[in-house]
Amino acid sequence: DAEITQSPRHKITETGRQVTLACHQTWNHNNMFWYRQDLGHGLRLIHYSYGVQDTNKGEVSDGYSVSRSNTEDLPLTLESAASSQTSVYFCASSERDGGGEQYFGPGTRLTVT
Amino acid sequence: QKEVEQDPGPLSVPEGAIVSLNCTYSNSAFQYFMWYRQYSRKGPELLMYTYSSGNKEDGRFTAQVDKSSKYISLFIRDSQPSDSATYLCAMSRGNTDKLIFGTGTRLQVFP
Repeated sequence: DAEITQSPRHKITETGRQVTLACHQTWNHNNMFWYRQDLGHGLRLIHYSYGVQDTNKGEVSDGYSVSRSNTEDLPLTLESAASSQTSVYFCASSERDGGGEQYFGPGTRLTVT
Repeated sequence: QKEVEQDPGPLSVPEGAIVSLNCTYSNSAFQYFMWYRQYSRKGPELLMYTYSSGNKEDGRFTAQVDKSSKYISLFIRDSQPSDSATYLCAMSRGNTDKLIFGTGTRLQVFP
């Protein structure tokens, strides 16, 4: 069955370290998204991509970067992790010509100490 | 003011009750409306999808959109303990537009 996976599922890192969270989907969706979810804020969009080599900033993109070298993967990099980036991160994907509905991965729980 | 407002709850109901979950929004350009269910420590799962105004029914779930009032609802009939989760509304202006999410309503259905 087609799916979307994230790894690692849990990560503890230290302030200042570079961290990369992986997202892989097998639906062949053109659109991919990264969100963070925090209590009181709901889901906030970090970065998104509408296809290979396309990346765009969301509402909370500072300190994060993404690259899209193929259809299946959109890794999220925290260039220098900060305690404010402790959160649960979700990857999602959607069809290019669909109705906009997004399908989510299981999440990565990141703790920055 | 947020573009999408959703009461965080928690909402606690007995098994078998009819549950009503709601969101209001401010942007009249929204046309696509969704409800997601999120169990604890899991990713959001698409539950209902509606384009423009009207009702959509799927089993025990009914989604309603009232664009004139900028108000959407999700009704759950014959609620079950397995419905206990956080319900997120989401909406967008177009099918290639970003989704805007509500903060979610936590629902607990007790036996």
